[in-house]
Amino acid sequence: DTEVTQTPKHLVMGMTNKKSLKCEQHMGHRAMYWYKQKAKKPPELMFVYSYEKLSINESVPSRFSPECPNSSLLNLHLHALQPEDSALYLCASSQREWGSYEQYFGPGTRLTVT
Amino acid sequence: EDQVTQSPEALRLQEGESSSLNCSYTVSGLRGLFWYRQDPGKGPEFLFTLYSAGEEKEKERLKATLTKKESFLHITAPKPEDSATYLCAVQAGYSSASKIIFGSGTRLSIRP
Repeated sequence: DTEVTQTPKHLVMGMTNKKSLKCEQHMGHRAMYWYKQKAKKPPELMFVYSYEKLSINESVPSRFSPECPNSSLLNLHLHALQPEDSALYLCASSQREWGSYEQYFGPGTRLTVT
Repeated sequence: EDQVTQSPEALRLQEGESSSLNCSYTVSGLRGLFWYRQDPGKGPEFLFTLYSAGEEKEKERLKATLTKKESFLHITAPKPEDSATYLCAVQAGYSSASKIIFGSGTRLSIRP
């Protein structure tokens, strides 16, 4: 099974709200990723977790706060977002961070900031 | 600077009309090249990994090949359900934190 699940599928939030995106995988993968994707653009890496520790932060604004509670779960906490943060947020996982391991993506959360 | 370029940007084919998508790359230390398919509003679906020049992989109507400078995704006798955006991604670098670099994708449309 190569499934990565994400909830919710859709999220509409105001600029003063606090919300969280959730991602889960049960493939035993030890690397998990958050990507942001705008329409007709490729995914843009935000964060990488390796063995539950933050490995890469691509200079993402602090209004995005990732969390990896255990090896199967990845959260992205959102606070005081801007309308330009509206996008498809994708979670992915791979066996390890380094090496040549393919990433498996979830279906994404469509976020709209009003 | 590491770079991945896909062409064409968009491709419209008639059902059954075979063609190829191109992914050219300039990176230091190729670790792996990946092909993904993405339907609108959904996450990318993994198709293939290629590791070294000369390698080929096939799945149904798709065949991926790799040279030292580029990869091709050949689609044979496509069907309308093959319509999607096809993304190429490269993992490069010699450090432990090598990143994946995505190309901008080819939007493929197959007319019945």
